[in-house]
Amino acid sequence: DIQMTQSPASLSASVGETVTITCRASENIYSYLAWYQQKQGKSPQLLVYNAKTLAEGVPSRFSGSGSGTQFSLKINSLQPEDFGSYYCQHHYGTPYTFGGGTKLEIK
Amino acid sequence: QVQLQQPGAELVKPGASVKLSCKASGYTFTSYWMHWVKLRPGQGFEWIGEINPSNGGTNYNEKFKRKATLTVDKSSSTAYMQLSSLTSEDSAVYYCTIRYYGSAMDYWGQGTSVTVSS
Repeated sequence: DIQMTQSPASLSASVGETVTITCRASENIYSYLAWYQQKQGKSPQLLVYNAKTLAEGVPSRFSGSGSGTQFSLKINSLQPEDFGSYYCQHHYGTPYTFGGGTKLEIK
Repeated sequence: QVQLQQPGAELVKPGASVKLSCKASGYTFTSYWMHWVKLRPGQGFEWIGEINPSNGGTNYNEKFKRKATLTVDKSSSTAYMQLSSLTSEDSAVYYCTIRYYGSAMDYWGQGTSVTVSS
């Protein structure tokens, strides 16, 4: 199975700041990488798929980049509603696997 | 609009089985594979498997082949996942989800929280 390694595990930032979360795949997954946001007690929400394509309705302050084995999710000008947990997931064939998550907290 | 409705919680005894449901609406049920995903606190997400509602074809994560059984009822647009021989390791939130736009999992149910306890 493809292993997804996400960092950092936790991150503290202020409203208005820019943050970057990274995800590394154990093998080449081309651009088959998705990012999700999850808030406490809620279902995951798709933010980005195919490494850099924003899902419908996702604000443009979110951006994804990378290919092969190295990927990142950047959030510009953090808003209060952006705090929660973020997960990467490869969609390059089954079994799909997820990164361990990044918890983004308010500083 | 696409909706995947799941019961909120199930309490089951160790060694027992449980059948979780996911009722789909707002789209053609038979056109999209239904996926099931497990989330345990501190353990992250695990993809359990997928089922083709059109013909019942399944594809399981090897880890869950003896644990989970996926089925569908086309007449009610409902997908099911049966979990067997439950232990504390099976206490988790289970989500159903689909790849509606074809790439990643873009619609999710609210999740069913399964607690295995005597």
